[in-house]
Amino acid sequence: GQNIDQPTEMTATEGAIVQINCTYQTSGFNGLFWYQQHAGEAPTFLSYNVLDGLEEKGRFSSFLSRSKGYSYLLLKELQMKDSASYLCAVRDGDYKLSFGAGTTVTVRA
Amino acid sequence: TAGITQAPTSQILAAGRSMTLRCTQDMRHNAMYWYRQDLGLGLRLIHYSNTAGTTGKGEVPDGYSVSRANTDDFPLTLASAVPSQTSVYFCASSVSGTATDTQYFGPGTRLTVL
Repeated sequence: GQNIDQPTEMTATEGAIVQINCTYQTSGFNGLFWYQQHAGEAPTFLSYNVLDGLEEKGRFSSFLSRSKGYSYLLLKELQMKDSASYLCAVRDGDYKLSFGAGTTVTVRA
Repeated sequence: TAGITQAPTSQILAAGRSMTLRCTQDMRHNAMYWYRQDLGLGLRLIHYSNTAGTTGKGEVPDGYSVSRANTDDFPLTLASAVPSQTSVYFCASSVSGTATDTQYFGPGTRLTVL
């Protein structure tokens, strides 16, 4: 089976930086995704890593280390609208996505 | 562009009744998926279809069936609902089911089985 772990909750202040870690053990690996999900809404795609290293997209960056089974999502210059759940998902050897339970980030003024 | 639509938005269903959740996409994606999302468990794959005419079982397929008669539609049927099927159901699609492309999600259906 697949095992994807991420913290349940994190809280940070507006303007700050937050790092959400994700560790995984899966049957095969074909990339790691991060999704954002606001309460009551659908998950929306944030980032994708398939090679080791850092991918930067504006205020959001995602890092992958395949040898360590580890990824993080970095959110910079936090805004109130960034309060949401962040989902780590790994595409396995059969190209199916397995999701972590999600990390709820609360941004305080 | 509509993307992916799901119907109904929410439903309360008596245990033992049947129900079909509808999903339609207008992006001409080949692959479609059904997930359920439960608190503390994250999204779990129920069934998938890599192309019209084919379907496959995901992690939690029991009690659910799907069909893929054409590219656009991927309905999910609960033949005899049970309370443990109370969940939020998301439909998703991607260009291909066997490549490194992104899945896009519909708005979800909130189902309560009493």
